[in-house]
Amino acid sequence: GQNIDQPTEMTATEGAIVQINCTYQTSGFNGLFWYQQHAGEAPTFLSYNVLDGLEEKGRFSSFLSRSKGYSYLLLKELQMKDSASYLCAVLDSNYQLIWGAGTKLIIKP
Amino acid sequence: ETGVTQTPRHLVMGMTNKKSLKCEQHLGHNAMYWYKQSAKKPLELMFVYNFKEQTENNSVPSRFSPECPNSSHLFLHLHTLQPEDSALYLCASSQDSGGGADTQYFGPGTRLTVL
Repeated sequence: GQNIDQPTEMTATEGAIVQINCTYQTSGFNGLFWYQQHAGEAPTFLSYNVLDGLEEKGRFSSFLSRSKGYSYLLLKELQMKDSASYLCAVLDSNYQLIWGAGTKLIIKP
Repeated sequence: ETGVTQTPRHLVMGMTNKKSLKCEQHLGHNAMYWYKQSAKKPLELMFVYNFKEQTENNSVPSRFSPECPNSSHLFLHLHTLQPEDSALYLCASSQDSGGGADTQYFGPGTRLTVL
């Protein structure tokens, strides 16, 4: 079966750095997405990785290792508004999105 | 962000009611999706439409009935639902639905409660 694993919940401090991990086992791979979802709101696109390595976008970076079936989302200089759920999703060989259950990130002052 | 809108935002219905959820996208996309989001569970894909044609029905019970009159509008008709159908129903759109890594853009969802 296809599976995406990410931690259920994480807590971090304002101004700090946090890394949210995602591991996957899927039938094929055509890229990995990260989305942010604030409570009661739409998931919004953060990043897409299809090649190995680190992609940086402001305070957010996303890393992919296809050989290890692993990705992480790195959030720097955390702000209170970063409190949200972060969803990892993999595009399989049929271009279907396989979703993780999401990681709820709590930022404390 | 008003790219994808959904109405109503909240809905409470009894098990014998009939109601409809509406989704509209203003992004010029050709593919639209319905997802079910339950607490602490992955998003469950329900239906996919590409150029108004249904291309995916993920073994969804017949009490959920989708309709896509054009590429900009998507409906989900609900009847005789069960309490376990209570969830957040998300609509999304993308440029296309197959053969590419098109980003999906989501609406804010309808929070459905079935009593």
